[in-house]
Amino acid sequence: ETGVTQSPTHLIKTRGQQVTLRCSSQSGHNTVSWYQQALGQGPQFIFQYYREEENGRGNFPPRFSGLQFPNYSSELNVNALELDDSALYLCASSPRTSGGAARRETQYFGPGTRLLVL
Amino acid sequence: TQLLEQSPQFLSIQEGENLTVYCNSSSVFSSLQWYRQEPGEGPVLLVTVVTGGEVKKLKRLTFQFGDARKDSSLHITAAQTGDTGLYLCASSSGGSYIPTFGRGTSLIVHP
Repeated sequence: ETGVTQSPTHLIKTRGQQVTLRCSSQSGHNTVSWYQQALGQGPQFIFQYYREEENGRGNFPPRFSGLQFPNYSSELNVNALELDDSALYLCASSPRTSGGAARRETQYFGPGTRLLVL
Repeated sequence: TQLLEQSPQFLSIQEGENLTVYCNSSSVFSSLQWYRQEPGEGPVLLVTVVTGGEVKKLKRLTFQFGDARKDSSLHITAAQTGDTGLYLCASSSGGSYIPTFGRGTSLIVHP
């Protein structure tokens, strides 16, 4: 069973640029969540995708957007990068089975992508 | 949004010592998770507690959920260098599993 993988592992961008981060969910998992973890902080929820649709969003501006593909892999796109976007971006997958309210499935995190904005 | 306070923020101890870290909220937790995050890795779930007063043990780790479900503690007995990491608590509210994380307790265990 392959765990959650993320690419790239590290990335350096300059202010104003755009970035795309990628995540492959664990086999059999149909739900992907993205988190931003700034240095010295806990992860902050960005959004979650279930069956290729956004299913919940945290307090992040619209320049943070995402996609989920039919194979349940996912992308996080950030436009107009700001210095404060420098952080570890974590992807987590879970095997959500309910079509209604989300259930308490365990989330499995990838190793993250460390983004530095200069 | 539920705010989770973790204490202490940093902890540096010698191998063999015992320690306790705490997670508190002004709101009632529907459930609470404890994670450990090692440098360069994502968080790994250690335990989920749901019932007030619940105690769960994972080898040398003991997790306790407060009776009022507003606080939780993690106690490590005879710490080892492999216990070094960031210990995070997380909780969700209502019927959603979109967790809110605390800032974590950074633990360093020296040989």
